[in-house]
Amino acid sequence: DTAVSQTPKYLVTQMGNDKSIKCEQNLGHDTMYWYKQDSKKFLKIMFSYNNKELIINETVPNRFSPKSPDKAHLNLHINSLELGDSAVYFCASSQVESGEAFFGQGTRLTVV
Amino acid sequence: AQSVAQPEDQVNVAEGNPLTVKCTYSVSGNPYLFWYVQYPNRGLQFLLKYITGDNLVKGSYGFEAEFNKSQTSFHLKKPSALVSDSALYFCAVRDDNYGQNFVFGPGTRLSVLP
Repeated sequence: DTAVSQTPKYLVTQMGNDKSIKCEQNLGHDTMYWYKQDSKKFLKIMFSYNNKELIINETVPNRFSPKSPDKAHLNLHINSLELGDSAVYFCASSQVESGEAFFGQGTRLTVV
Repeated sequence: AQSVAQPEDQVNVAEGNPLTVKCTYSVSGNPYLFWYVQYPNRGLQFLLKYITGDNLVKGSYGFEAEFNKSQTSFHLKKPSALVSDSALYFCAVRDDNYGQNFVFGPGTRLSVLP
């Protein structure tokens, strides 16, 4: 069983569209994250939720909106997509006591 | 704010030779340090962590890392490199002052040459 799964793996869409990326973890972790990896492979935190509560909300455009319906899910909705949104988006989860974060396989978003 | 530096963009090593990928960090408080590996078109895979205890930490696939508090370093090592170790390696620190955010270094690309 995949610990952290996100869908879709690839997403190609036109500018101006709205899209969502879904993430689910079956590890029972309390904390979930969204990271963005740019073309230079830098990883930067976007959002973090702990028990469905928003903990980290980095300086990202408000076109990006995370939603956590329950502790095991953290979805990312993006409105009015722009060319600069093209990147790989990673979902992750962690438990404070155990330490490490577990990452999904990533969603490669390409805006054309 | 916590930060992580990986001074080498690229490390080349011959198969069978020992490898070292360097990492230095800056944190307030106790450091929680991690190494991850990313293969092409894949997610990040956890290799090892230092939370407390022995300064030499052993992890997956024969990797180990040495925590050095005085030098604020957490270098990744392997005694004998394999071609299959070629990948992108990230050092990270967990920032417990900011929602258990994982702050990543810029990554080091390891190439193991046959």
